[in-house]
This record gives sequence, structure tokens and C-alpha cells, in this order.
Amino acid sequence: KAGVTQTPRYLIKTRGQQVTLSCSPISGHRSVSWYQQTPGQGLQFLFEYFSETQRNKGNFPGRFSGRQFSNSRSEMNVSTLELGDSALYLCASSPLAGVEAGELFFGEGSRLTVL
Amino acid sequence: QKEVEQDPGPLSVPEGAIVSLNCTYSNSAFQYFMWYRQYSRKGPELLMYTYSSGNKEDGRFTAQVDKSSKYISLFIRDSQPSDSATYLCAMSAPGGGNKLTFGTGTQLKVEL
Repeated sequence: KAGVTQTPRYLIKTRGQQVTLSCSPISGHRSVSWYQQTPGQGLQFLFEYFSETQRNKGNFPGRFSGRQFSNSRSEMNVSTLELGDSALYLCASSPLAGVEAGELFFGEGSRLTVL
Repeated sequence: QKEVEQDPGPLSVPEGAIVSLNCTYSNSAFQYFMWYRQYSRKGPELLMYTYSSGNKEDGRFTAQVDKSSKYISLFIRDSQPSDSATYLCAMSAPGGGNKLTFGTGTQLKVEL
């Protein structure tokens, strides 16, 4: 069974640009969550989608946005990039809508460097 | 102050040692507690999941939760070099969906 797939794995952008990251969840999983991981702050929750609806959002500025498609694939977008957006962006999928149901399966992440 | 505090380490132990990793938290709404392991350049993978106070054992791993003290622990017995990784505690509140609040992680190195 294929795991969570994130593309691209690595990318370099300059300040002011925008970036779109993609996540394909495990087949059959309907929940997709996004996290930002930095050395100083660790893993921080960005948002969660379930059946194409955003269910939860973390404390990030509006420059961070996401969406989920009918096939459960998800994208996140960061506009007007800042140096502080350099991070590993992790996508996680789950079969159900709540952590009460079990574990999140993480992808290997997309490492974004902003110059 | 962060909702979840975790000593970043690094922690270096000899092979075969018992490792104790800990997190404290301030949000009493947290009811679900997890430990993830993250190898370098990989995504986190779930090691242990519990939703009640007490101990839960899985092979060489034991997770301990003390809700009255807002303190959770992960014990690794007979540690192996393959256990060298960053260990992340994570927790969630009911109704929070898949929103997890993570500790910053403890880097563990098990030496031969």
C-alpha cells in the first residue's frame, strides 16, 4: 500500500514568490492535515481538510492556504514568501476525521528554502 | 510559554540502556497522547498512542501518562543503534480533529 506522497521534495524560492505544494494521501484516507516543521518551533499545525472542507486551521497568516480535491489529494499554497517560511512542510493523512480514530500517517515532506 | 514542553537533548546513551523521554503540558483539555519517531530526512511515524492515564506497553516501548501532573513519558528498553532518531510527543483534545500539538522533539543517539 503506497504511503503519503508529497511533491516536490525540495524547492528553492525567493522572497515575494509563491509556492504550491502537493500531497496525495493513502488510498481511502479522507483527512489530510498540513504541518510546518522548523528547528526553532518544531511541528506546527497549519490546517486540516476532510471531504474537501477545511475543518481546522492553525495560527498562521492568510498567506498560507490550502484546498482538498474530490479524490482527497490536497494542495497548500504560500503567497508572498518570507525568509521565515523556510521549513519542512509535512502532510499527514488519516482515514477518519478525528485523532480519536487512530494515527496520522505522515509523508516525507517538502523542504522549502526561501532566499 | 509553549503548551507542550520537551527537552531537546541531544541525549546519548550506550546500546542496551533504558531511555526515558518526557514531556509536560499545560492544556488540561488534552486527552489523546502520542509518541512519534522521526529519522533524519523522513516524516514522523507513530510509535505509541494512548488516551488514558497509566501505562501502555508495546515491545520495547512503554508509554506512561499522568494527567494529574500533566506529564507523559516514553521508555525504551534495551535501546539499539537503530533507535537513534528524534522523538516527538504529540497530544490532542476531543473535537480537535487531527490537529496535534507537538513538543519540539528530543534527539536520541544510541551508541555501540
